[in-house]
Order: sequence, then C-alpha cells, then structure tokens
Amino acid sequence: AQSVTQLDSQVPVFEEAPVELRCNYSSSVSVYLFWYVQYPNQGLQLLLKYLSGSTLVESINGFEAEFNKSQTSFHLRKPSVHISDTAEYFCAAENTGFQKLVFGTGTRLLVSP
Amino acid sequence: EAGVAQSPRYKIIEKRQSVAFWCNPISGHATLYWYQQILGQGPKLLIQFQNNGVVDDSQLPKDRFSAERLKGVDSTLKIQPAKLEDSAVYLCASSSRTDTQYFGPGTRLTVL
Repeated sequence: AQSVTQLDSQVPVFEEAPVELRCNYSSSVSVYLFWYVQYPNQGLQLLLKYLSGSTLVESINGFEAEFNKSQTSFHLRKPSVHISDTAEYFCAAENTGFQKLVFGTGTRLLVSP
Repeated sequence: EAGVAQSPRYKIIEKRQSVAFWCNPISGHATLYWYQQILGQGPKLLIQFQNNGVVDDSQLPKDRFSAERLKGVDSTLKIQPAKLEDSAVYLCASSSRTDTQYFGPGTRLTVL
C-alpha cells in the first residue's frame, strides 16, 4: 500500500530565507504527487501537482517541487519565504488511476520576521 | 465556479450524542470523498463515492459512522453515537474523473 513520509513535523525559518520541506513516498508503481497547504481553520488548498512530463513543477506563489523517481521523493522548495507562507503543508500521493490520496502527517512551516 | 461547501463549520457535542455533517461538491464532480483529520495528523479517507455509489468505505467505522449521497450530488456523514476520539476536522472533497481533489473548509467536531 502507498505511504507518504514527511519527516519534519515543524520547520522554523526567517523571512526571506530559503526553505525545503521533505516528502518521500513508498510505492514503486506509477504515481501522482501533490502538495496541499492548509491555513488555520481552513480546508486544504492545492499548491502544486506532478502527474507526468517535466519533473519540476511550480506554483503561482513561488513554490516548486521536483519529482525524483530514483529517490522516491517530491520535496517542496521556495527560495525566499514570506510571513504569509506560515501554514501546514501536506504531501500526498495517488497510485495512478485509483483516485485515492494518501497523505503524509504534515509539516508546519513557521516564518518569523 | 463555487467551491466545495460544508456545514456546519463547528460543532460541539457530548459523547454518545449523534451529529451530522453536510457537503455540497463542485458542480459536475462525480466523485466525493469524506476525510477525517485528527489534530497533528494528515487527512485519512473515510469513504469515497462515485456518483451515488460507494467505491471505498474500508476505513469507515461502520458501527457508528454512516454516509450517503442521494441523487449523486450532496452528501451527509453521520456519527451515532459519538466518542471522544471522534474529535477531529471532517473534510469533504470532490473531483471529476481525471482531475485533482478539491477540498471544502471542513467541519471541526469537538466531543466532550
């Protein structure tokens, strides 16, 4: 069965510093990968997704993630974070065609001035 | 395009009481999901509907949880009777056949 690991439960960082949130998945079969963001008292919002094609995917607010099949990873990065990026970030995987998402336990990004 | 709607946003009940949550998916989305998100954890799928049929309810505690999706649109999730460990955020999501899942704002349930 598919599983997703987010090793960092919390990542503190200063504003304008770079950040990387780590995500590893377990399945060796074809997989779709997602990053969702959850702001306090809100539902999950899709940040970016990898379905096929280019292994580097980008979001509209400066985040990017790279699909690495050999390392079964899909780490999320941003070169310069803002206070408003403070939120919980969830990595999720879906075995292609099954429409079932498996989520990691989340990483809380804390951006301070 | 309107997003996934859920109500209520917050609910506080005592253990052994019953509670129901409502979800209205994005128009035209055939697939609807209910997730349970316990504090500090990622969302866990409870049940998946395709139109008004159940695709997967393997993680739904069927002795106390039930869900239905009449006419393949709105859905309700019910807990009866509630236990302390049911305190969580209940998220509804919907998707078209080949698209991403879109989530509603969730219902935060507190069981005292």
